Amino acid sequence: KAGVTQTPRYLIKTRGQQVTLSCSPISGHRSVSWYQQTPGQGLQFLFEYFSETQRNKGNFPGRFSGRQFSNSRSEMNVSTLELGDSALYLCASSLVANYGYTFGSGTRLTVV
Amino acid sequence: SQELEQSPQSLIVQEGKNLTINCTSSKTLYGLYWYKQKYGEGLIFLMMLQKGGEEKSHEKITAKLDEKKQQSSLHITASQPSHAGIYLCGAEDTGTASKLTFGTGTRLQVTL
Repeated sequence: KAGVTQTPRYLIKTRGQQVTLSCSPISGHRSVSWYQQTPGQGLQFLFEYFSETQRNKGNFPGRFSGRQFSNSRSEMNVSTLELGDSALYLCASSLVANYGYTFGSGTRLTVV
Repeated sequence: SQELEQSPQSLIVQEGKNLTINCTSSKTLYGLYWYKQKYGEGLIFLMMLQKGGEEKSHEKITAKLDEKKQQSSLHITASQPSHAGIYLCGAEDTGTASKLTFGTGTRLQVTL
């Protein structure tokens, strides 16, 4: 059974650019959530999608957005990149709430 | 909002020694997860605890959720170099399922 797949694994972008990260959940999982991990702030929740609807959102600026497609694959987009957006972005998929969350290997974003 | 405090922040143990990592919550825990992370990589699921007094074991790792459900501990018996990494506890937000709040992590090093 394939795990959670995140692409790309590494990304280098310039300040002001935008970026799109992709996450393919485990087959059958309909919930996909995104997290940002930095040395200073640790792991922080960005947002969660279930059946193409955003159900929860963390305390991040509007530059951070996401969406989910009918096949449950999800993308997150960050516009007008800032140096502080450099982080490891992780997505997790779950079958239903309270049932366990499986994380992908992450996308390491570096903004220069 | 819920806050999770992990202790210790870092730990260096000799191979073969036992160790315990604690996770204390500011609120009642309804779903407590333990993950392990190698630097810069994704989170590996270890265990999930939901009921007060619950205890689960996998190989040499045991996790417990206390009766009052505000603290969890992770115990490793006879540590090995393969146990090295960052251990993170995560809790489901009581008001919004499918959102995990994480502790700051415990960095474990195992020396030969």
